[in-house]
Amino acid sequence: AQSVTQPDIHITVSEGASLELRCNYSYGATPYLFWYVQSPGQGLQLLLKYFSGDTLVQGIKGFEAEFKRSQSSFNLRKPSVHWSDAAEYFCAVGVKSKLTFGTGTRLQVTL
Amino acid sequence: DADVTQTPRNRITKTGKRIMLECSQTKGHDRMYWYRQDPGLGLRLIYYSFDVKDINKGEISDGYSVSRQAQAKFSLSLESAIPNQTALYFCATSDSVRFEQFFGPGTRLTVL
Repeated sequence: AQSVTQPDIHITVSEGASLELRCNYSYGATPYLFWYVQSPGQGLQLLLKYFSGDTLVQGIKGFEAEFKRSQSSFNLRKPSVHWSDAAEYFCAVGVKSKLTFGTGTRLQVTL
Repeated sequence: DADVTQTPRNRITKTGKRIMLECSQTKGHDRMYWYRQDPGLGLRLIYYSFDVKDINKGEISDGYSVSRQAQAKFSLSLESAIPNQTALYFCATSDSVRFEQFFGPGTRLTVL
């Protein structure tokens, strides 16, 4: 069965600083990969997805992620964080139309 | 209007009560899902349905049942609620081509 690990439970960055959120997955083949964001009191919004092709994918709100097959990773990055990016971020792997989520990383942004 | 709606948004109930959470979508998707979210555990799949006649158990289906009344409606029931079912419940939809899932706003359920 597939699994997803987000090793960082909580990250704090200063506004304007760069951000990288880590995600590692376990699956026998290349799965579909997703990053979702959950703002306080809200549902989940899709930031970006990887299905195949170019391993660097661009998403909404200035986020990007890079798929590295050799490391089974799909890390999320943003060059300059804004205070409105404070939220919880979930990495997910999709197999046979089902998603398996990581436990999430909560991002705090200091001004 | 929201594409995926959930009712109620908040519910407080007592142990042993029967509860139904409802989900409706206007996205025209054939696939629907129910998840629960607990702090530190992420989202876990309870049930999923790929069409009206197809219902499947997910990772944590014990204590839950579902009904797919129409392509656009998917309900989750707790036959006899217990306190450890206190959680945030999300409905999601997807189509059979793009696979990405779209989530409703969630229902916060508290079982006393």
